[in-house]
Amino acid sequence: GAGVSQSPSNKVTEKGKDVELRCDPISGHTALYWYRQSLGQGLEFLIYFQGNSAPDKSGLPSDRFSAERTGGSVSTLTIQRTQQEDSAVYLCASSPRGVGGIDTQYFGPGTRLTVL
Amino acid sequence: DAKTTQPPSMDCAEGRAANLPCNHSTISGNEYVYWYRQIHSQGPQYIIHGLKNNETNEMASLIITEDRKSSTLILPHATLRDTAVYYCIVRVRGSNYQLIWGAGTKLIIKP
Repeated sequence: GAGVSQSPSNKVTEKGKDVELRCDPISGHTALYWYRQSLGQGLEFLIYFQGNSAPDKSGLPSDRFSAERTGGSVSTLTIQRTQQEDSAVYLCASSPRGVGGIDTQYFGPGTRLTVL
Repeated sequence: DAKTTQPPSMDCAEGRAANLPCNHSTISGNEYVYWYRQIHSQGPQYIIHGLKNNETNEMASLIITEDRKSSTLILPHATLRDTAVYYCIVRVRGSNYQLIWGAGTKLIIKP
C-alpha cells in the first residue's frame, strides 16, 4: 500500500518568509510525528499527534514552529519567519499505534528545507 | 530513555555478514531495543526490535546479551544496497512517541 508521503520534496526560501510542509500519513495510522534532521546528525523530535488527543509540542524549538493535523490524517508543519538555522530535512512518520502495543514508525522521504 | 553508543562507521564485504554493535548499559527492564536504518536521502526504515530474546525477521537478526547491556544487529548476507546509517534506539514499549536518535553507524558495504 501507499507509504507516508511528504511535500514538497525540496523547499528553498528566503530568511524571514513563512513555509508550510505537508505530510500524508499511512491510511488508518493514528499516530503522526514530525522530526528534523540536520546534516550528519540523528533525528530531533518536534511534535507528536495521537488520535484526537492534544498534540505533544514539547520538541518544537521555538514559537515560530507550529503544526496541525486535520481530520486525524494530513498534517502541516508551519515555520514562520524562517531563519538559516531552520535549514534541515523535515521528516514525518506515522504509526499504527495501539496495534498489539507495537508502534513501529514508518517514515516519509522528508522535505529538504533551505533558508537562504 | 536509555542512551545508546554505536561506532561511527564500519565496513563489510559484500556477501558477508555485517555485525553492528550497540551498547545500552543503562537500559531499563521494560525498554525495548529498536533498529532503524537510513539510506542516503531517504527517510529511516524500521528493521527489527526486541526486548530480551533474540529476534529474526526477513531483514536481519537481533542478538541481545543476557544482561541486556548490549546488542548486535546482524545482516546475514550484506549487499551493496545495505549501505546506510544504522540507528540503535531504546525505548519503553507503548510509551509515547519520540525515539531518541543518536548519530548511528555508517555501514559501507564494499564489493
